[in-house]
Amino acid sequence: DAGVTQSPTHLIKTRGQQVTLRCSPKSGHDTVSWYQQALGQGPQFIFQYYEEEERQRGNFPDRFSGHQFPNYSSELNVNALLLGDSALYLCASSSLGSGNTIYFGEGSWLTVV
Amino acid sequence: GDSVTQMEGPVTLSEEAFLTINCTYTATGYPSLFWYVQYPGEGLQLLLKATKADDKGSNKGFEATYRKETTSFHLEKGSVQVSDSAVYFCALWDTGGFKTIFGAGTRLFVKA
Repeated sequence: DAGVTQSPTHLIKTRGQQVTLRCSPKSGHDTVSWYQQALGQGPQFIFQYYEEEERQRGNFPDRFSGHQFPNYSSELNVNALLLGDSALYLCASSSLGSGNTIYFGEGSWLTVV
Repeated sequence: GDSVTQMEGPVTLSEEAFLTINCTYTATGYPSLFWYVQYPGEGLQLLLKATKADDKGSNKGFEATYRKETTSFHLEKGSVQVSDSAVYFCALWDTGGFKTIFGAGTRLFVKA
């Protein structure tokens, strides 16, 4: 049973560029949440997707956008990258049956130079 | 809004020592509570959880009890191993916001 998978694992981008990160949820899960984890800090909630709609959003600017596909996989897009966007981006999946428990992927390390 | 506060690290212990990592929370209602662990270079793994007051979550020798009176969920282990070295995150489910809120994390170093 595959867990949450994310791609790419590592990437380096230049300021002003755009990036797309991808996530496939754990089998049987229909909800995907994205988190940003800066070095030495706890994960910060970006947004959550359910039934292909953004259900909840954290305190992140509109440069951060997302999408969920009919197969429940998801993308996170960040436009006009800033140096401060350098972080580990974590995808987590859940379902009604997981009892409010979210399960994380290994993350995508983004470095903005 | 809801929040989680956990003790600052790093915590450095010798192998076989007793571990306590303190965690307190602020929330409306009675949220589910979690401990996640993050090993170097990896994502977060669920360690244990508790869904109601007085519940005790346990896994791999770690335990935490949901204390409504003190709004706490302290993590304990009777005898730590070098392999327990990691960052530990306390978290709660925000019942009003469909999201999990995390503390800042506590780094644990265990020396042989």
